[in-house]
This record gives sequence, C-alpha cells and structure tokens, in this order.
Amino acid sequence: DVVMTQSPLSLLVTVGQPASISCRSSQSLVYGDGETYLNWFQQRPGQSPRRLIFKVSNRDSGVPDRFSGSGSGTDFTLKINRVEAEDVGVYYCMQGSHWPYTFGQGTKLEI
Amino acid sequence: EVQLVESGGGVVQPGGSLRLSCVASGFTFDDFAMHWVRQAPGKGLEYVSLINDNGETIHYADSVKGRFTISRDNSKNSLYLQMNSLGTDDTALYYCARDYMGSYEYWGQGTLVTVSS
Repeated sequence: DVVMTQSPLSLLVTVGQPASISCRSSQSLVYGDGETYLNWFQQRPGQSPRRLIFKVSNRDSGVPDRFSGSGSGTDFTLKINRVEAEDVGVYYCMQGSHWPYTFGQGTKLEI
Repeated sequence: EVQLVESGGGVVQPGGSLRLSCVASGFTFDDFAMHWVRQAPGKGLEYVSLINDNGETIHYADSVKGRFTISRDNSKNSLYLQMNSLGTDDTALYYCARDYMGSYEYWGQGTLVTVSS
C-alpha cells in the first residue's frame, strides 16, 4: 500500500498567519492517465471529513480561496494563506491513484 | 442534493456481528463505486472496503479481509457492510463515501460501532 506521511502532525497558528502542511507519498501518485489523484480533507471537531482539494490543486466549490494545494509526484503541500478561527480541525491528505486509497496520519491545526 | 445516510451501528460483544447500511440519494447510485471508511476514536481515517458500480469488483483492507463483506443493492440505492468476528480494534465511526476520480467528494455522517464486553 502507498504510505502517506504528513508533517507536521500538529500546528499552532495565530489568526491571520499562514499555515502549511506537507504530505509525502511512498511512491509516485501519477496515475496511468497522467492525472495525480491527491486530495486534501478537513475534519472539524465532531464533523465528517470535508473535501477541500482534489487532483492536487483543484479547490472544491465553497472552499475559501485562502486554501491552496500544490505539488507533484510524491511531494504535496496544503497552504492556508491567512488562517481563520473556523479552520480549526484535522487535515488529511489522501491518495486515490493506487488501490487501496490511503490517508496521511492527519495534522491537527489549533489556534 | 447528495445525501449518504448510514445506520446499523451499535454496541456488540467481541466475536459478534453487525450489518451496516448506507442509503444514498440525490445522484444516480449505480453510476458510482462506493467505499466504507472508518475512524477509531481519536484516530485517523482508514479505508475499509470498496465496491464498484455494478458490484463485480470488491476490495478489502487487510485488517478486515475474511471478516467483512461489502455489498450493494442498486434497486434500493443502498450499500451494506456485513461485519463478523468483530474485535475491539473494529470500534470506530464507519462512514460510507462516494468514490469518483480517485476521491471522496461526499461522505455520510457515520455510524458508530462499539465492540466491548
């Protein structure tokens, strides 16, 4: 299985400051069709996961543009350019290029 | 509006069984593969099983292989997970999720399974 490794596992950020989460995969996430199926999810306390980003850098509808995804191959990053209080929660990367889909350990963002 | 509603969770003794259900609405159910994903208390997300749109392709995580059975009834827009020989490590919130293009765009609210004596 593809191992997804996130860092840091915990992030303490001041409102208005940027935050960055790294995600590395144990093998390339470039699929046979040329696409890279790397996703980012946010899980607020007591809620189901919510997808923020798909295919590395595509923001879901309704996701604030302060969230952005980047990367390629095996190295990926989620950036929040100005953290707000509502961003508190756990962030997961997940690869969908190889079966089974696998998640990173999660990064807990606190204010 | 896409909705996924899980049910069937509860408290079961070690070695027991449970059957989870997930009813889908707001989309053409038989166009999509469906997955079960679980989250142990205070822990991260773990893929459990998948079934493709017509039920002919099925896959399980090693941790549940031989004990869990995924199935679907497209006429009822429903996904199922039969869980046998449950152990304490199976205690988790179980989510169903819709698979599309290597991603889970939609998740249910989850159903809690507690394995305890």
